[in-house]
Amino acid sequence: NAGVTQTPKFQVLKTGQSMTLQCAQDMNHNSMYWYRQDPGMGLRLIYYSASEGTTDKGEVPNGYNVSRLNKREFSLRLESAAPSQTSVYFCASSEGLGGRTDTQYFGPGTRLTVL
Amino acid sequence: DQQVKQNSPSLSVQEGRISILNCDYTNSMFDYFLWYKKYPAEGPTFLISISSIKDKNEDGRFTVFLNKSAKHLSLHIVPSQPGDSAVYFCAATGRGGGSNYKLTFGKGTLLTVNP
Repeated sequence: NAGVTQTPKFQVLKTGQSMTLQCAQDMNHNSMYWYRQDPGMGLRLIYYSASEGTTDKGEVPNGYNVSRLNKREFSLRLESAAPSQTSVYFCASSEGLGGRTDTQYFGPGTRLTVL
Repeated sequence: DQQVKQNSPSLSVQEGRISILNCDYTNSMFDYFLWYKKYPAEGPTFLISISSIKDKNEDGRFTVFLNKSAKHLSLHIVPSQPGDSAVYFCAATGRGGGSNYKLTFGKGTLLTVNP
């Protein structure tokens, strides 16, 4: 039982390049989330998916797109990377449909640098 | 506008003593609060939570206190151990639009427990 896995662990991009961050969970969870964490900041929600086939914007969605490929996988795409997107990206999942007491389990993160 | 504030970026305590981490919030709609712990190069892990209908929740060495009138919560760790050295994030969620309760995180407090 690996929990939440993310690939890649590290990535360096040039401004304007695109890439997709992959996330998968093996806990049969319904909800999945993408966060970013900047230095000295808390985690901020980019997008979330309360169930397969649905996605919704979080606090900082601009510059990102997501795909809930199936129940296990939730990917985050940067179409044209900008230096402001340099951050650590965390994927999370939760068992329920995102309710108040629905504990979120996080992956190890992807450290992205955009030059 | 920071809705969840952790005003102490760092805290250092001696092994065996009490660690007290503080968190303040401004949004009156928040009614469920969580603490997450994060080691370097890992994702955050859920530690303990408290609902606004309670003023205290205890789990082993960890106790969270909630003062609703002051919009303040604190995490007590007794006794502190070197393995507790990590960044601690306070998070809050509550009633709002939609069915998904989004987490709002503080910036985190780095706890160092010295042997």
